[in-house]
Amino acid sequence: DAGVIQSPRHEVTEMGQEVTLRCKPISGHDYLFWYRQTMMRGLELLIYFNNNVPIDDSGMPEDRFSAKMPNASFSTLKIQPSEPRDSAVYFCASSLGRGGYGYTFGSGTRLTVV
Amino acid sequence: KNEVEQSPQNLTAQEGEFITINCSYSVGISALHWLQQHPGGGIVSLFMLSSGKKKHGRLIATINIQEKHSSLHITASHPRDSAVYICAAPAGRSQGNLIFGKGTKLSVKP
Repeated sequence: DAGVIQSPRHEVTEMGQEVTLRCKPISGHDYLFWYRQTMMRGLELLIYFNNNVPIDDSGMPEDRFSAKMPNASFSTLKIQPSEPRDSAVYFCASSLGRGGYGYTFGSGTRLTVV
Repeated sequence: KNEVEQSPQNLTAQEGEFITINCSYSVGISALHWLQQHPGGGIVSLFMLSSGKKKHGRLIATINIQEKHSSLHITASHPRDSAVYICAAPAGRSQGNLIFGKGTKLSVKP
């Protein structure tokens, strides 16, 4: 398996633009997580899905953020409109079962909003 | 909800030294994770352990379920071990997400 695949690796966009981050989890994993990492706040959970259903989105900063998982092999995180304070590295991860078996992170998307 | 604490926050060692990073958590768990992140890099899962000890090369992870404590040891440390090490535990018994410690930044000097 190629692991968790995220795209793009880097994204630079202007304030106000829409940004879409993509994630392909490991085949067979039933949990998918979106995280944001900044120097100030470290690693924060934004939202996670179980069997394509959002379970906990309490970490989503505000209505500008939305996430979808239309099927078991694809998820998106969208920011609309983007703001400079959204600049961070966004990680996707997937795992199997509640214990986090095979917990695997993607390489991350470094987002810069100017 | 589980709380995960790591110590120390920062650690500087000389090449060859034995290193220990500690992690404690508040809620009984099925397994604990140790992760590694190199500067500017991705996050790699090192260990997932539910009891006893696991070894991978120069890395050893131990866990004491009764005391809710885990340690990560690095033997014969090397500058390439310089990274942030993070422990993570399930948020709760019925939850699938992990709670992360704040990480330990390790710097190994040649």
